[in-house]
Amino acid sequence: QSALTQPASVSGSPGQSITISCTGTSSDVGRYNFVSWYQQHPGKAPKLMIFEVTHRPLGVPHRFSGSKSDNTASLTISGLQTDDEADYYCSSYTSSGTLVFGGGTKLTVL
Amino acid sequence: QLQLQESGSGRVKPSQTLSLTCAVFGGSISSGGYSYSWIRQPPGKGLEWVGYIYHNGSSYYNPSLKSRGTISVNRSKNQIYLKLSSVTAADTAVYYCARGGFLGDYDDYWGQGILVTVSS
Repeated sequence: QSALTQPASVSGSPGQSITISCTGTSSDVGRYNFVSWYQQHPGKAPKLMIFEVTHRPLGVPHRFSGSKSDNTASLTISGLQTDDEADYYCSSYTSSGTLVFGGGTKLTVL
Repeated sequence: QLQLQESGSGRVKPSQTLSLTCAVFGGSISSGGYSYSWIRQPPGKGLEWVGYIYHNGSSYYNPSLKSRGTISVNRSKNQIYLKLSSVTAADTAVYYCARGGFLGDYDDYWGQGILVTVSS
């Protein structure tokens, strides 16, 4: 299975909004609404931010939102804060019953 | 609050078997219909899904492992295990265990991770 495609890096200023894309295929992202997003700060374990495309776990700010169109899922962070600076990974369930991650996106808050 | 803690050998020689344990605290792995996953991250690189085991005991693995991985559980000890055979330097990574939803499509609780280095 091939990794989902994410931009290597994105950046934004405090208060702005950014969107990170995650492109898969009709066998994963395009087939199921089982896309998740994780935030990872350096040296820390990943933290679940979005599951099943649009759902936020308890405690995740409403500034984080997810969407999907065809084979591409997106994570939008509005009202950027300095603590949002981290690596972000998407993942998707696949038609083989497995899971696949994206390559990761480094978010820089300027 | 659910907590997961990985343990095992931090160094494994090439061609040997990597063995890790994930102890779960604050909840029973026998309840709730959850899945349990292993995810790894080579130094400086991205996350890679290793595999998961469902509540019914069935397990799935990353095809890239070429059948080298085995995930099992011991419900009486509230532990999940990973064995990876015939390791090479490419298996050097931080290994995380995590609790996931019924389908394993997301993981909401993660351990702190354990670095395993494959080296002679």
